[in-house]
Amino acid sequence: DVKVTQSSRYLVKRTGEKVFLECVQDMDHENMFWYRQDPGLGLRLIYFSYDVKMKEKGDIPEGYSVSREKKERFSLILESASTNQTSMYLCASSFSRVRTGIYGYTFGSGTRLTVV
Amino acid sequence: AQKVTQAQTEISVVEKEDVTLDCVYETRDTTYYLFWYKQPPSGELVFLIRRNSFDEQNEISGRYSWNFQKSTSSFNFTITASQVVDSAVYFCALRTFGNEKLTFGTGTRLTIIP
Repeated sequence: DVKVTQSSRYLVKRTGEKVFLECVQDMDHENMFWYRQDPGLGLRLIYFSYDVKMKEKGDIPEGYSVSREKKERFSLILESASTNQTSMYLCASSFSRVRTGIYGYTFGSGTRLTVV
Repeated sequence: AQKVTQAQTEISVVEKEDVTLDCVYETRDTTYYLFWYKQPPSGELVFLIRRNSFDEQNEISGRYSWNFQKSTSSFNFTITASQVVDSAVYFCALRTFGNEKLTFGTGTRLTIIP
């Protein structure tokens, strides 16, 4: 059963801490994404990566960074956590087949982060 | 830039009623893909359907049906004879050709009352 695994389901951190959210996929997907989900705002893209060591900013990258050292793993880093980063974080991966137009996404179960 | 609007924030219906979730999108691209996802209380987004911009044929899958109309930039989702297990947050999303990113709407929380 193919999947995207996020290391923590719930996480509580203190303001100012450095926080790592880990995501691993076992589908050999090229692309990986980090989204943030907030009530009334839907899912907003933080960062994505289309290859190892490659990354691009999404719509709300401020306060976040990412790391992709291996194809299967994509980490989201909060350099200095703040209370306004309390949210649900969803990781996703996808393959892209430009010629055939097939785009498949798989999402993880999410990490609910609370910053106190 | 792309935008997806789901004007219905929350909907409640009694079990066995039909319900339609609205989705309106904006894009200047001529080739794009539209998606619907379901998010049950467990949190994981479950893929429901993908539609290509060049295929306006409506689709039915069991109790689910989708109405894609390019003339009104809408991609609406209907659940027939709703069941309690349909209770979830539903997201509509858009992706343009050559762009790896999904743009999501704000979601519609659907509650089916037994």
